Amino acid sequence: GAVVSQHPSRVICKSGTSVKIECRSLDFQATTMFWYRQFPKQSLMLMATSNEGSKATYEQGVEKDKFLINHASLTLSTLTVTSAHPEDSSFYICSARDQALSRGYTFGSGTRLTVV
Amino acid sequence: DAKTTQPNSMESNEEEPVHLPCNHSTISGTDYIHWYRQLPSQGPEYVIHGLTSNVNNRMASLAIAEDRKSSTLILHRATLRDAAVYYCILGPPNSGGYQKVTFGTGTKLQVIP
Repeated sequence: GAVVSQHPSRVICKSGTSVKIECRSLDFQATTMFWYRQFPKQSLMLMATSNEGSKATYEQGVEKDKFLINHASLTLSTLTVTSAHPEDSSFYICSARDQALSRGYTFGSGTRLTVV
Repeated sequence: DAKTTQPNSMESNEEEPVHLPCNHSTISGTDYIHWYRQLPSQGPEYVIHGLTSNVNNRMASLAIAEDRKSSTLILHRATLRDAAVYYCILGPPNSGGYQKVTFGTGTKLQVIP
């Protein structure tokens, strides 16, 4: 139980274009999901908290107009990187928790974004 | 937020036990100790968590010091698949509401065949 599916696993896009990353909880409902970014050889950095039916909460220093988060249903949150630039190239990871299980958070397998 | 301190890296021989330490001297009375690990090019996965008593599950054991200022994740027989970055994190219990998980730098475990 508690499976989180993230798609796509890899994406390459041109500078100036937008990329959408999906995060789905497959066998549970998640009113809250979290989005992280990880640069090579660094730890995960929390970007924002995605709340179903309401606005996301962004961490300090994360541009909300650049990283658009939509959490329209109890099983899906999306992160859109708008007007992507090479410095946005990173590993993006989402997470959610099945409250019925006392097992901690489940993470997606991540999305490797390369902006060329 | 209470911080944790872990060694940057550790090595272990395959089939031998591994003890991964974590210091958390400013832990509060309500903080749980959580461990996650991240295999290369994957998202983190939950390993184990505890409050005061030692904990065992199919993946690992968690030994918590009596004063709770430190803890040790124990892998009883390291395999090559255990090579990962291990994160020790303080936070609320896994039940109840949602709380964000903040990652430190973790310990990179290398398993030698």
